[in-house]
Amino acid sequence: EPEVTQTPSHQVTQMGQEVILRCVPISNHLYFYWYRQILGQKVEFLVSFYNNEISEKSEIFDDQFSVERPDGSNFTLKIRSTKLEDSAMYFCASKPVGGNIQYFGAGTRLSVL
Amino acid sequence: QKEVEQNSGPLSVPEGAIASLNCTYSDRGSQSFFWYRQYSGKSPELIMFIYSNGDKEDGRFTAQLNKASQYVSLLIRDSQPSDSATYLCAVSDGSARQLTFGSGTQLTVLP
Repeated sequence: EPEVTQTPSHQVTQMGQEVILRCVPISNHLYFYWYRQILGQKVEFLVSFYNNEISEKSEIFDDQFSVERPDGSNFTLKIRSTKLEDSAMYFCASKPVGGNIQYFGAGTRLSVL
Repeated sequence: QKEVEQNSGPLSVPEGAIASLNCTYSDRGSQSFFWYRQYSGKSPELIMFIYSNGDKEDGRFTAQLNKASQYVSLLIRDSQPSDSATYLCAVSDGSARQLTFGSGTQLTVLP
């Protein structure tokens, strides 16, 4: 069964460093999303992406965040200068055209020290 | 500010019983309603989705939607210990739009 793949599963970084979280969406999906979940808190929407541009973004998705689809398969989330409060699970999701279901990847646990 | 509210629990039921999970939402424009299951440290896994008022059944799971009351629920019949997880209610106001999640209800099914 096709699935959304995220790498790495765990990323440890120092405060102020840049990180790139990678996602390979399901191959025929064209809508892509990033969510995050701080430990013990709810899943929060960050950004959605369609047709090579951002469709929606939340207040959390400020200038330190960016997304990119560098090729036909990868979808990345870059955090330019990480803060302690960026420590969370980051989930990538994708959705096909004409469907309503977002399929989630296994997540990347980001730990900012 | 769109809000999705769930009882955080924990909710404990004996094996074989019916577990009832509830969710209310603030945005009357919401169109799509989802129940995800999340095991500790794992990603959300879709259990059910519902778009129209009424009931929708899939195996042991029944989703119920009442748009007038802005209420959606999930019933789990013949609960099993493997159903023990956090159940997340999520709402969207369009097919390509973001999901707004509740904080989840932790369910424990006791053998």
